[in-house]
Amino acid sequence: QSALTQPASVSGSPGQSITISCTGTSSDVGGYKYVSWYQQHPGKAPKLMIYDVSDRPSGVSNRFSGSKSGNTASLTISGLQAEDEADYYCCSYRSSSTLVFGTGTKVTVL
Amino acid sequence: EVQLVESGGGLVLPGRSLRLSCAASGFKFDNYVMHWVRQAPGKGLEWVSGISWNGGSIDYADSVKGRFTMSRDNARNSLYLEMNSLRTEDTALYYCAKGTGWLLPAFDIWGQGTMVAVSS
Repeated sequence: QSALTQPASVSGSPGQSITISCTGTSSDVGGYKYVSWYQQHPGKAPKLMIYDVSDRPSGVSNRFSGSKSGNTASLTISGLQAEDEADYYCCSYRSSSTLVFGTGTKVTVL
Repeated sequence: EVQLVESGGGLVLPGRSLRLSCAASGFKFDNYVMHWVRQAPGKGLEWVSGISWNGGSIDYADSVKGRFTMSRDNARNSLYLEMNSLRTEDTALYYCAKGTGWLLPAFDIWGQGTMVAVSS
């Protein structure tokens, strides 16, 4: 089962906006409205940031937003803050009745 | 407080077995899908398996199918992962996570994980 493709790293200055892509196929990202995003700080458990492509759980900052076009989903962080420095993973339903994560992206705040 | 606490990890020889447990509290356990997700040291997240609220539906990643068995005991608010024929590539931190719907990739509560090391 191949992972979804994410850039290894993305960086930005405080206050800027960055976007992380998550590319799959029509059997996963492109075929369903079931993509989520997770933030993971070092040594910590992942935290759900976005689900169903663009919905935010209660308590998650509205600086985080999600979208999808074709086989690629995206997570945008606006007004970048030092606390946003972390690893980010996308996750999607796949038609073989499985779930698949992305390769992960390290976000660095310059 | 909503909480998931994993246990049962440890060092095990290749080919041997191990059983992980996850104790849930603070929410109505038998209402929710549950999952196991693992993370090898320094690597990304990998979904392992998911189980429906009543245990009637269970799915596995291809990498563990036929070797791992997931189950739950709703009376004990507990989740289990029986791991057989362990391989070195199964070495990882194993998280249990609460799902929001059957095979939806949204896990809103995570435990802190239990480490499994497979080595001779």
